[in-house]
Amino acid sequence: DQQVKQNSPSLSVQEGRISILNCDYTNSMFDYFLWYKKYPAEGPTFLISISSIKDKNEDGRFTVFLNKSAKHLSLHIVPSQPGDSAVYFCAASARQGAQKLVFGQGTRLTINP
Amino acid sequence: NAGVTQTPKFQVLKTGQSMTLQCAQDMNHNSMYWYRQDPGMGLRLIYYSASEGTTDKGEVPNGYNVSRLNKREFSLRLESAAPSQTSVYFCASSAPGFGETQYFGPGTRLLVL
Repeated sequence: DQQVKQNSPSLSVQEGRISILNCDYTNSMFDYFLWYKKYPAEGPTFLISISSIKDKNEDGRFTVFLNKSAKHLSLHIVPSQPGDSAVYFCAASARQGAQKLVFGQGTRLTINP
Repeated sequence: NAGVTQTPKFQVLKTGQSMTLQCAQDMNHNSMYWYRQDPGMGLRLIYYSASEGTTDKGEVPNGYNVSRLNKREFSLRLESAAPSQTSVYFCASSAPGFGETQYFGPGTRLLVL
C-alpha cells in the first residue's frame, strides 16, 4: 500500500527549461509535505516543504504546489541547471504521525546541456 | 560541522552473520531515525527514536533491533542477516516538533550474500 507515489521513475529536461516533478498521495491525514534531493553515494538533502494550509511555496528556483482536493503535489524547477540532475523524493507526514515521513519511490531527473 | 555520520560506509555479510550499523549526530537533535532504500521503493522507515530512551517501530522493523545509546548515537543491529536485507541504510535526525527537517547521513551500503 504505497501512500505516496511518484509515478515517473525518470525525467529528462533541457538546460534552462522548466522541470516538473509530480507526486500523489492517498492518506488524507497527511498535512506536511517535503521534497528531498539525492545525489549518488550521498544521503538525501532537504529541498523545500509545504504545509497543508498553503497551496504554494517558493524558494529561489524551486516552487512546490499542493492541490489537496486532488491529493497531488508538484515541484517546479525554473530554470533547470545541470547541477539539478539527481533523484528527487517527495515525502509526507501527519501531525499524529510523530514526525514519521513516508517517502515516494523517487524520480531521477537528468538535465541535458 | 559533521552533521550525521554513519559507519561503516560499506559492508559485506554472509547469511546469518550479525552486525551493528552506527549513527551519530552532533546537532543536539532529540529525534533519530533509521531508513532503508531499495530500488523502486523509496526510503522506508525501520525504527525511530523520538527522544533519548525511547524507540518505536516504523514501517519495516522485522529483522532489526535498535539502541538509542545516548542523545547523539542511534545504532541499528541485524542479528541474523538475510539476503533480503541487502540495501542502503540511512540514518537521520531532527529537532523535536512537527515539521522539523530531517537531516540524513551519507548511508551504509550493505550486501548480504
